[in-house]
Amino acid sequence: GQQLNQSPQSMFIQEGEDVSMNCTSSSIFNTWLWYKQEPGEGPVLLIALYKAGELTSNGRLTAQFGITRKDSFLNISASIPSDVGIYFCAGPLMGNNRKLIWGLGTSLAVNP
Amino acid sequence: GAVVSQHPSRVICKSGTSVKIECRSLDFQATTMFWYRQFPKQSLMLMATSNEGSKATYEQGVEKDKFLINHASLTLSTLTVTSAHPEDSSFYICSATGTVNTEAFFGQGTRLTVV
Repeated sequence: GQQLNQSPQSMFIQEGEDVSMNCTSSSIFNTWLWYKQEPGEGPVLLIALYKAGELTSNGRLTAQFGITRKDSFLNISASIPSDVGIYFCAGPLMGNNRKLIWGLGTSLAVNP
Repeated sequence: GAVVSQHPSRVICKSGTSVKIECRSLDFQATTMFWYRQFPKQSLMLMATSNEGSKATYEQGVEKDKFLINHASLTLSTLTVTSAHPEDSSFYICSATGTVNTEAFFGQGTRLTVV
């Protein structure tokens, strides 16, 4: 099925470092969503973006909706061990009953 | 954010039996619910989309007679894995969207093991 291009696939960082990951698509999206999934749990919504150019923060997390509407990035500042998990980007198909297209995820490991 | 409750979180069943998984939106009305399957270290794979009061729409390759979906109310959808086999063992996750935005909220997931 259709997927978003998400990178990097995995990251291993030291506690306190900043993290950046991004998602790109060949299609235009009107909404970008960023989720975090921990082992054995369902994804949890972190940030939702609805407007091209929009920059939104949620604590140490910041996400931006690209001007072209074909990309988005998520930054995590001053990482801590509980940031460990898999981060997914997702966006709804245009006019398709809110069905989401997903990135393959970025697995984040934080060394304390 | 909105709360979606999925039950059970873990289930072990014998091959050939059926298992029902429930997904409830606790504080909003879910016009659309989605059922996903996730294999280890992979992204979510959409199985089907269900709208309250109508038949579910299944993704290509997903057997509708194998994975029965019922969305009888605006707060409850169920997935029944019929005649389960070991290859059906997986992590199943539901999500729900409300009437306004396209944000999807997820249940906690169900780890199904068929022995």
